[in-house]
Amino acid sequence: QSALTQPASVSGSPGQSITISCTGTSSDVGGYKYVSWYQQRPGKAPKLMIFEVSYRPSGVSNRFSGSKSGNTASLTISGLQTEDEADYYCSSYTSSSIVLFGGGTRLTVL
Amino acid sequence: EVQLVESGGGLVKPGESLTLSCAASGFTFSSYSMNWVRQAPGKGLEWVSSISGSRDHIYYADSVRGRFTISRDNAKKSLFLQMNSLRVEDSSVYYCARNYDVFFNGMDVWGQGTTVTVSS
Repeated sequence: QSALTQPASVSGSPGQSITISCTGTSSDVGGYKYVSWYQQRPGKAPKLMIFEVSYRPSGVSNRFSGSKSGNTASLTISGLQTEDEADYYCSSYTSSSIVLFGGGTRLTVL
Repeated sequence: EVQLVESGGGLVKPGESLTLSCAASGFTFSSYSMNWVRQAPGKGLEWVSSISGSRDHIYYADSVRGRFTISRDNAKKSLFLQMNSLRVEDSSVYYCARNYDVFFNGMDVWGQGTTVTVSS
C-alpha cells in the first residue's frame, strides 16, 4: 500500500494557524478511528501529538487539534510558535492490519 | 521514568543478518503492544512490525515479511527484531515504540533509535 498523502511543506507566521492534511482511502483513514499525528524535530525521535483522530496525550498543548472528514484527516496548529517548527507525520491503521504513515510535512515558522 | 533504549545496530553486508534489541523500563512492559518503526536517511517514517503484549498477535509490513521476525521477552522487558537477508534499502534508523493503549492507536513512547547500515 502507498503512503498516506501529505503536503511536503507548509509555513506560517507566529500567532497564525495552519492545517496539515493527510489523505488516504476508505481502507485506512476513512475507515478507522485510529489516525495519529507525530511531531519530529531534527535528530530526534517522533513525538505523539494526536491519537484516535482528535485526542491529545497528556502534556500536549491544546494548540494542537485533529479532525477527519471522509478519507482526509487534518492537524491544525493554532497560535503558531517558533518551537512548532518540525516535521509532522500522520499515520493510520488499515484494513490489511498494517500501519501506514504519511510522507511527512515540513512546517516552517517564518 | 518511562524509557525505551535500542541497541544492536551496525554495518552489515547485503544478505547478512542482524538482531536489534529494545530495553524497556518504567512501565509494565507486558501490558503494552510494541512496534518497530524505521526511517531511512532523509526520508519519512515507515512502520515495520507490531507485537501484542501476550505475543499472540504479530504483524509485518510487506517490505519485511518473511525476512524479519519480531519477538519479545516480557520477563526481561525486552523487544527484539531479527533481521535476515538484509538489503541496501533496509538501511535506516530503527525505533522501537510503545502503543498508547490499544493496538494501532498511536505510539506514545519512543526510543532514541539505532542505526542499521547495509552496504557492500
